[in-house]
This record gives sequence, C-alpha cells and structure tokens, in this order.
Amino acid sequence: TQLLEQSPQFLSIQEGENLTVYCNSSSVFSSLQWYRQEPGEGPVLLVTVVTGGEVKKLKRLTFQFGDARKDSSLHITAAQPGDTGLYLCAGAGYDYKLSFGAGTTVTVRA
Amino acid sequence: EAGVTQSPTHLIKTRGQQATLRCSPISGHTSVYWYQQALGLGLQFLLWYDEGEERNRGNFPPRFSGRQFPNYSSELNVNALELEDSALYLCASSPARTGRWETQYFGPGTRLLVL
Repeated sequence: TQLLEQSPQFLSIQEGENLTVYCNSSSVFSSLQWYRQEPGEGPVLLVTVVTGGEVKKLKRLTFQFGDARKDSSLHITAAQPGDTGLYLCAGAGYDYKLSFGAGTTVTVRA
Repeated sequence: EAGVTQSPTHLIKTRGQQATLRCSPISGHTSVYWYQQALGLGLQFLLWYDEGEERNRGNFPPRFSGRQFPNYSSELNVNALELEDSALYLCASSPARTGRWETQYFGPGTRLLVL
C-alpha cells in the first residue's frame, strides 16, 4: 500500500482548462515535494513545501501544503500540452526517506 | 554542471542471473539513493548511501544490495533475479547532510528486464 495517495490516477483535459491533483496521507511529513516525470526519464523536481499552510506559485502551477503537513495539492491554470506528464508527490520523513505516491498521469490535448 | 548519470540505460537478464547497475552523483553530492519504479507500483525506496555507508534501506530482500565508492559513485546489485524485478531503477543524489532535508536529484534510470 502507498503511504501517499494521489488522485486522480489519470486526468485528460483540453488545452486552456484548469486541473488539480491531490496528494493525501495519514502521516506527517517534514516536507513534501512535487516531481514531474516524462517517459524514459527520471523525475524532475518542481517544488518543495516545508511549512504547514504554505502556498508556492511557479508560473501557472500553484502548490499548497496542508496545515497539518499531511496533504498537498497541485493546481495548474490554463494547462498547455507541455504540461503533459506523470506528476508525483513525495513526502520526506524524519528518517530522510522519500515516500512517493503512485502518480497522476496528466494529458493535455491541443 | 552534469546531472546524475546511470549506466547501462537498458539491461536484459534471465531469471537467476545477477544484475549490476551504476550511478554517478552530481559533483559535490555525497548521498546516493536507489529507487525501484515498477509498473503500477510507483517509486519504492531501496537504499540510501552517504559517505560510503549504508544509512537506510527499504522493504526489499537481502538479494538487493549495493555500495558507495570513495568518489561517491554507487553500485546496485540484484542477485538471483526474479521476473518481478523487471522495473526502472532510479538513482538520486543530494548534497551532504546539514541536518535538514536536502533535495534529491534523479538520474534517467536503468530499465531492467528479466526474462
């Protein structure tokens, strides 16, 4: 079983639409990372959130860390085909291990 | 600055054989992590090496082992290969521990196929 539950598993939207990916856990994390992975490549870090309630914006991407540091969300505004990929959330435990969610496959159609 | 490199990119083995995967961290990074990404299972933590020592391991059998060399590069060995070991094996590196969380940077992975 995954320590982190991501939803939805798959998301297919039209260019210009908005989307939100959720990452939930019953565990508390010292920090939470969001990665994007493209086929045949390793995950690339998008953002790290550390403080409960923290909101970070990266151009059209908005990341939020829950107040209790157990959950997070990724919101993409006006999605573009270049946003297509596998989005992974990963929680950092106090033992320095990263626990990953199963991922959300996002497809943005032109 | 060069990123994390892994070799080989692809590896085909048969059941019972041994596989050796290699990783070179980003220059200046002392920690190396290994993950397994099997289809439908997500990334699973395998091993963490720092300053040549194994610091932590995930829930994998002892036939998964590795080591870290003085130049901080690392090797993952998988003995007595089973069909379910087929997966993408990812290596990540991070800077020396400063007492807080350090970002992990991933390599492109080695795809292992066990026939």
